[in-house]
Amino acid sequence: AQKITQTQPGMFVQEKEAVTLDCTYDTSDQSYGLFWYKQPSSGEMIFLIYQGSYDEQNATEGRYSLNFQKARKSANLVISASQLGDSAMYFCAMREGDRDDKIIFGKGTRLHILP
Amino acid sequence: DGGITQSPKYLFRKEGQNVTLSCEQNLNHDAMYWYRQDPGQGLRLIYYSQIVNDFQKGDIAEGYSVSREKKESFPLTVTSAQKNPTAFYLCASSHSGSGTGELFFGEGSRLTVL
Repeated sequence: AQKITQTQPGMFVQEKEAVTLDCTYDTSDQSYGLFWYKQPSSGEMIFLIYQGSYDEQNATEGRYSLNFQKARKSANLVISASQLGDSAMYFCAMREGDRDDKIIFGKGTRLHILP
Repeated sequence: DGGITQSPKYLFRKEGQNVTLSCEQNLNHDAMYWYRQDPGQGLRLIYYSQIVNDFQKGDIAEGYSVSREKKESFPLTVTSAQKNPTAFYLCASSHSGSGTGELFFGEGSRLTVL
């Protein structure tokens, strides 16, 4: 069963607009971590932001913020004031539990920023 | 500089041949991972290792094998039993036990089976 769901295969957004990339997850663990990664066309994987399940506040890193809604099992990535360089694949990922280092990914969303 | 090195970057092989992809890290991380990436499939976990001489199967381990004899190294062998081995392979590592534990990735190895 898929544990990380990204429902938007592709998105087109006008430059300077904010964009929200959706991610829902499924776990029965109380302790888990959620990640977002960016993959430009070069193929490298860039870590963007992390949210722990016990963190009370939404994580923020510069123009990136994570809209964490625990009850809905949702961890959407928000990019404010999008730039042309934000065009890339974006992946949501999860680590379940405290003792296991297994990290699984969603299928990704390809974001296109339009000038 | 600290990081993860994957080699080779590109690899071509004939059907039926085993292939070994190298992954080395000098970040002193305990955990290491192999993912496979196909278009539209995201990253799928093949194997991961939390400690030397131990590793666990991921979601698509069939047709692959790994070893973890040293902390720094986690080679992946794509065997002839893997039915569709052409893909982009990513190795990663993470620091266990504290902090966010985010993955640090290598640049990937693209395997094409002819």
